[in-house]
Amino acid sequence: GAGVSQSPSNKVTEKGKDVELRCDPISGHTALYWYRQSLGQGLEFLIYFQGNSAPDKSGLPSDRFSAERTGGSVSTLTIQRTQQEDSAVYLCASSLLAGGAETQYFGPGTRLLVL
Amino acid sequence: KQEVTQIPAALSVPEGENLVLNCSFTDSAIYNLQWFRQDPGKGLTSLLLIQSSQREQTSGRLNASLDKSSGRSTLYIAASQPGDSATYLCAVKDNTDKLIFGTGTRLQVFP
Repeated sequence: GAGVSQSPSNKVTEKGKDVELRCDPISGHTALYWYRQSLGQGLEFLIYFQGNSAPDKSGLPSDRFSAERTGGSVSTLTIQRTQQEDSAVYLCASSLLAGGAETQYFGPGTRLLVL
Repeated sequence: KQEVTQIPAALSVPEGENLVLNCSFTDSAIYNLQWFRQDPGKGLTSLLLIQSSQREQTSGRLNASLDKSSGRSTLYIAASQPGDSATYLCAVKDNTDKLIFGTGTRLQVFP
């Protein structure tokens, strides 16, 4: 595809419900990253995938957060038992390879509001 | 732990002015530094990427410099236009391969 796409673009859910956020990286990109942008917190790293494996999950804020990637392409970020503090914009990025020289290309984000 | 700071947090200028946005980071062991632009309700657009071995990068009216030893980068915008209004984010990549972002500078250029 032309760029990184994410769905849904907006999600409103009730506290306690589970949500799934989807990211479609640029075709051929092997590395995929999830970030979260909260009011007052800035943009923070959550997890990254190299192929289907996740070498770095250090940014996941709690065990309610999980992510998977299948076929080296689409990734899903799942938040279980959502809390109001989970409200944020969730951004996905991909790069051709993992590694210092690579540029990460970002999707438009999913805006999550937990009521 | 790497920390990235951006100054100023917000800036409002008349059209035509030359601008300097500042970014500082605490750990000089970085692979690269990247400047992004974010428009309201949109994702991030990469503007310039400076590798750790480089001193500056230029694209059109934008010029970014990097002084790794002092932990500083500046983004220079020449002859600003209302269309430059956005939030500008700098981010450093370290050996953990993730980007560490500053909190951004919100720029408004008025006609």
